[in-house]
Amino acid sequence: QVQLQQSGPGLVKPSQTLSLTCVISGDSVSSNSVGWNWIRQSPSRGLEWLGRTYYRSKWNYDYAESVKSRITINPDRAKNQFSLQLNSVTPEDTAVYYCAREDWKYHWFDPWGQGTLVTVSS
Amino acid sequence: EIVLTQSPDFQSVTPKEKVTITCRASQSIGSSLHWYQQKPDQSPKLLIEYASQSSSGVPSRFSGSGSGTDFTLTINSLEVEDAATYYCHQSSSLPLTFGGGTKVEIK
Repeated sequence: QVQLQQSGPGLVKPSQTLSLTCVISGDSVSSNSVGWNWIRQSPSRGLEWLGRTYYRSKWNYDYAESVKSRITINPDRAKNQFSLQLNSVTPEDTAVYYCAREDWKYHWFDPWGQGTLVTVSS
Repeated sequence: EIVLTQSPDFQSVTPKEKVTITCRASQSIGSSLHWYQQKPDQSPKLLIEYASQSSSGVPSRFSGSGSGTDFTLTINSLEVEDAATYYCHQSSSLPLTFGGGTKVEIK
């Protein structure tokens, strides 16, 4: 059974960097048959896909245009985890952030991490 | 970007009633449409894969149908534990997008 465990601070100051980690158990971050995603949820924006990484002989990355200039997703094979960094945050980045595994045949998300509420405030 | 429009936004339903939620895509997405259930303070949970395939362990009262631009999630004989918000999600093209959600309340 695959499980995703998120960690990271719940409060970030404006203009600073949001950093979250998702530890994978029951699967491998370098699996050739899945992708690893970050998704956020807020009352104003609903569920918003942020980006993903996946391994197909090399690491690949896809990012949403809305955050492309500020986001980095990093896989860590040694620790079997992947991380999210979002730079130059503003209060509009306040949301619950989720990591999720993506099936590579039909591209649904299952499972999801437990979610981390990140508040951007001074 | 493919926009998914769900309706209704909210539904108040008596137990054992049938619930129908629709999701319309702004362009054809084949069957690349999935449904999730989210209960308060929980992560979304996959219900229906690829428009009509029930995910493992999902009760048989949940079913999905549709293709192209119009999709439906049906809950036959609603149970109290089905109170939740339901979301559709398209994986036909990037960026991956979600519908706005349908909240189902138990009367």
